[in-house]
Amino acid sequence: KQEVTQIPAALSVPEGENLVLNCSFTDSAIYNLQWFRQDPGKGLTSLLLIQSSQREQTSGRLNASLDKSSGRSTLYIAASQPGDSATYLCAVGIYNQGGKLIFGQGTELSVKP
Amino acid sequence: GAVVSQHPSRVICKSGTSVKIECRSLDFQATTMFWYRQFPKQSLMLMATSNEGSKATYEQGVEKDKFLINHASLTLSTLTVTSAHPEDSSFYICSARGGTDYNSPLHFGNGTRLTVT
Repeated sequence: KQEVTQIPAALSVPEGENLVLNCSFTDSAIYNLQWFRQDPGKGLTSLLLIQSSQREQTSGRLNASLDKSSGRSTLYIAASQPGDSATYLCAVGIYNQGGKLIFGQGTELSVKP
Repeated sequence: GAVVSQHPSRVICKSGTSVKIECRSLDFQATTMFWYRQFPKQSLMLMATSNEGSKATYEQGVEKDKFLINHASLTLSTLTVTSAHPEDSSFYICSARGGTDYNSPLHFGNGTRLTVT
């Protein structure tokens, strides 16, 4: 059974700092890995999607890497801003049942001005 | 970009009543929709997967008679919480995929906060 773990559960940093969020998964049979952002009481916003054949994806100040063999992904946020404060969720897509996503428990990020 | 509209955003109901939550894809045809449940400070737990015109596939431990899912068209799926109880209070989120390619984007609704009194 696929399990997704995110470390740390919460993180507080001063504005401007670079930071790394970690995600690990137990079964490497995935078709992609996605990072999402969730603001309090809201739905999810997709940040980056890495297909299983890819190693990384970049969008603006965000960079996500994927190492399938070790079951790990990282989300790197450069020059953090208070507006980056949110919960970040990683999810792996598995092949059965319509390609469902299995989510980690999230990292709650707070960027202090 | 693609938009998924989820309605209502908040609902309060009395114990024993039923509540229907709608999830609509506004500008694409959703071949597959997923329903998730989220408790405070916890992750999204998949409840069921639905494909248009067929019965939903429920995750282990999810009562199909309690959480009725209907995916009658390519733009609408509904989740009905029947005979709701306080322990059903949670945040429910739907997501929809427009294609059959697993790498096609999943679009999420803004969620429904259900409170059962």
